[in-house]
Amino acid sequence: GNSVTQMEGPVTLSEEAFLTINCTYTATGYPSLFWYVQYPGEGLQLLLKATKADDKGSNKGFEATYRKETTSFHLEKGSVQVSDSAVYFCALSDQDNYGQNFVFGPGTRLSVLP
Amino acid sequence: ETGVTQTPRHLVMGMTNKKSLKCEQHLGHNAMYWYKQSAKKPLELMFVYNFKEQTENNSVPSRFSPECPNSSHLFLHLHTLQPEDSALYLCASSQTQGNRQPQHFGDGTRLSIL
Repeated sequence: GNSVTQMEGPVTLSEEAFLTINCTYTATGYPSLFWYVQYPGEGLQLLLKATKADDKGSNKGFEATYRKETTSFHLEKGSVQVSDSAVYFCALSDQDNYGQNFVFGPGTRLSVLP
Repeated sequence: ETGVTQTPRHLVMGMTNKKSLKCEQHLGHNAMYWYKQSAKKPLELMFVYNFKEQTENNSVPSRFSPECPNSSHLFLHLHTLQPEDSALYLCASSQTQGNRQPQHFGDGTRLSIL
């Protein structure tokens, strides 16, 4: 079956540091890939997405590129802020006869220190 | 405003009580989902409804009973819960034509079982 693997957290960085959160996936078809962010006390919010190989998703300074050859979708940001402290989830979706199937990674907690 | 509204935001109940969680989406989506999010554990998919029909029940105990009266509303009826059922319960919706569309999440109901 499909699966998503993320780097273990927590990740602790100083403000303005470079961020990378690794994500790799296993899928039988051609999934779409997503990054979600969850701030304390809230649900998951879509951060960015990519729907085919070599697509780059970007939002709020975050980027991730769909790499089919390495089955990866790593999240990057050049300069993190304290307000980026949250839990980040990598996810994929594909389609079967019943509808969409979503698979989430376990989440990576990011703490940014001033 | 996420477009997916969950009520109540917080719920404390005894093990013998009966209560219901409500989810409403205003996005015109045709699929709705219940997830359980426990501390230190990955997101757990509980139920999926496509066009009001249940298409997935992920081996959830019968003390959780979902109801989907229409594509905009989803309920989770609770009875005789156990302390290990304390968690954040998240509702999500999506448009399931193709696999390119993300899920949209509500802010969840924080459930505590006494």
